[in-house]
Amino acid sequence: DAGITQSPRHKVTETGTPVTLRCHQTENHRYMYWYRQDPGHGLRLIHYSYGVKDTDKGEVSDGYSVSRSKTEDFLLTLESATSSQTSVYFCAISESGQVPYNEQFFGPGTRLTVL
Amino acid sequence: GIQVEQSPPDLILQEGANSTLRCNFSDSVNNLQWFHQNPWGQLINLFYIPSGTKQNGRLSATTVATERYSLLYISSSQTTDSGVYFCAATDPFYNQGGKLIFGQGTELSVKP
Repeated sequence: DAGITQSPRHKVTETGTPVTLRCHQTENHRYMYWYRQDPGHGLRLIHYSYGVKDTDKGEVSDGYSVSRSKTEDFLLTLESATSSQTSVYFCAISESGQVPYNEQFFGPGTRLTVL
Repeated sequence: GIQVEQSPPDLILQEGANSTLRCNFSDSVNNLQWFHQNPWGQLINLFYIPSGTKQNGRLSATTVATERYSLLYISSSQTTDSGVYFCAATDPFYNQGGKLIFGQGTELSVKP
């Protein structure tokens, strides 16, 4: 199994509070991703990183920011959580972004509930 | 961007039965993968299969890129095969760092 951990695994918070989710990998992969999974929408990309301090937006990035100060860690921050951000968040890693080879491996997920 | 469609949306099997899950994509794709999301929510990699055929135990997959589809075969199903099966791929023309575009999944329930 790919060495990916996420913390916390479960979190309940209140609207308006800041929340940070952490993804940690031991594979030394260059690319890291944050997805959210919602019923009816499947998994959608929030942000991704292609190296230390190199990040970019995905398709549902509003309300989220990310940081990557070390190869192994990718943080997702909700500056002011809203109920629409209640979701399951998955981190993924891959060696390369597109070609010639981009197999992504997923972490165990974080279930976030915003009340 | 590309669309990924999976069929059937739901499937109920008796233990020991075989099944075929299908993934169609609207245009050329790269990096096609199959995942199993188990009842605990974990996404488990089954196959990385941009083209050709692969087998792993009771599971096998075939991707025919020129005809824009992929198939996942499950033989002699077991209750532990229950969960949701996703296919996902990247759009070669709108990369976004290798964003995976997921189908809506096939929910499989295997009864003892």
